[in-house]
Amino acid sequence: QVQLQESGPGLVKPSQTLSLTCTVSGGSISSGSYYWSWIRQPAGKGLEWIGRIYTSGSTNYNPSLKSRVTISVDTSKNQFSLKLSSVTAADTAVYYCAREAGGSGWYVGFDYWGQGTLVTVSS
Amino acid sequence: QSALTQPASVSGSPGQSITISCTGTSSDVGGYNYVSWYQHHPGKAPKLMIYDVSNRPSGVSNRFSGSKSGNTASLTISGLQAEDEADYYCSSYTSSSTQVFGGGTKLTVL
Repeated sequence: QVQLQESGPGLVKPSQTLSLTCTVSGGSISSGSYYWSWIRQPAGKGLEWIGRIYTSGSTNYNPSLKSRVTISVDTSKNQFSLKLSSVTAADTAVYYCAREAGGSGWYVGFDYWGQGTLVTVSS
Repeated sequence: QSALTQPASVSGSPGQSITISCTGTSSDVGGYNYVSWYQHHPGKAPKLMIYDVSNRPSGVSNRFSGSKSGNTASLTISGLQAEDEADYYCSSYTSSSTQVFGGGTKLTVL
């Protein structure tokens, strides 16, 4: 059973960089046709896709966040990470990491999720 | 990219059927059969209910079904049960190789 767990600071100051890590257990992050994604949900609002990374290192980002987002992967630690720079109060949200199953000509969606971690941006 | 459009709320009585719509454009919902639906109980991780417009993952009740017509996808829940009360989100692949979610629909079981 694949499990994902987010970790990182729960409080970030405005203008600083938010950094989160997702640790994958129950399977290798390098095996299979999977992408590894970050999704967030501000309080009282809907889900927002942030971006994804493939184990080759290729990435896709939400155009509205692209200038501030970096997603990276460390296959040796079975982890992938999110960095969001120049944060403001609008970036306060529950952040989820998720596995996205898909490949050339097929797609399943986000089939495994972490429990989510609340990140608050405040001084 | 703009969020897909879902009704803010729907409701139904136990045993009834409800349908949640998800409207996008030809660059996302209308252009690909890569629409998925998620059930989200507050405080928990979202759960994949439907993928590729109408396919159910193993373990998901057959009371959940999906369809698509043009730029609008739909999720139907039949035989409503109290445990179905949750937020539901659609998601679609886009022509920019990104993903986009709907705004979410709160389902209330009366």
